Amino acid sequence: DQQVKQNSPSLSVQEGRISILNCDYTNSMFDYFLWYKKYPAEGPTFLISISSIKDKNEDGRFTVFLNKSAKHLSLHIVPSQPGDSAVYFCAASARGAGSYQLTFGKGTKLSVIP
Amino acid sequence: DTGVSQDPRHKITKRGQNVTFRCDPISEHNRLYWYRQTLGQGPEFLTYFQNEAQLEKSRLLSDRFSAERPKGSFSTLEIQRTEQGDSAMYLCASNRQELEAFFGQGTRLTVV
Repeated sequence: DQQVKQNSPSLSVQEGRISILNCDYTNSMFDYFLWYKKYPAEGPTFLISISSIKDKNEDGRFTVFLNKSAKHLSLHIVPSQPGDSAVYFCAASARGAGSYQLTFGKGTKLSVIP
Repeated sequence: DTGVSQDPRHKITKRGQNVTFRCDPISEHNRLYWYRQTLGQGPEFLTYFQNEAQLEKSRLLSDRFSAERPKGSFSTLEIQRTEQGDSAMYLCASNRQELEAFFGQGTRLTVV
């Protein structure tokens, strides 16, 4: 049973446009969400996070939106750059329940076309 | 370099052999995690240490797997009697208190 789902395995976007990556979760205990970016043969790199007490968090070109009622979050990248091409993982944890393990989705491969 | 360091980067072993991986977390990070990633999947949680105490273990961590963090600094992950299904990328991550986890570059294990 996948508790964190990224239903789009891949996404192609033109340089300069907005990239929107989506993530759904099923475990209502999750209260902290993160996005990681991964290049081949490297470990995941932290991008941005959001606590369940917020519905939006912004850091430069990256914005994460959280819709708790829909159990859905999204990552917006504006404007998209070729260097953003990577696999993006959504992850969640249930910190309020004392669990610090991250549960990851399967990832979405973003290709930004110059 | 103050990042999470993992050694070795690659390991090829014959089925049935034992392997051990090492992870050096970022200094003063009291929490250390092990994850496993296979092709097409996201990282899957294996185990978590706070200082030297192992606080969470996944059901993925069979009896053939053991992890230690003896002095609350570096950690080792040992796999005994390796099987082909153990082939994966083994990732280590660390963090301090409520901050986000930083990952190492991983150890790629191939069991032949």
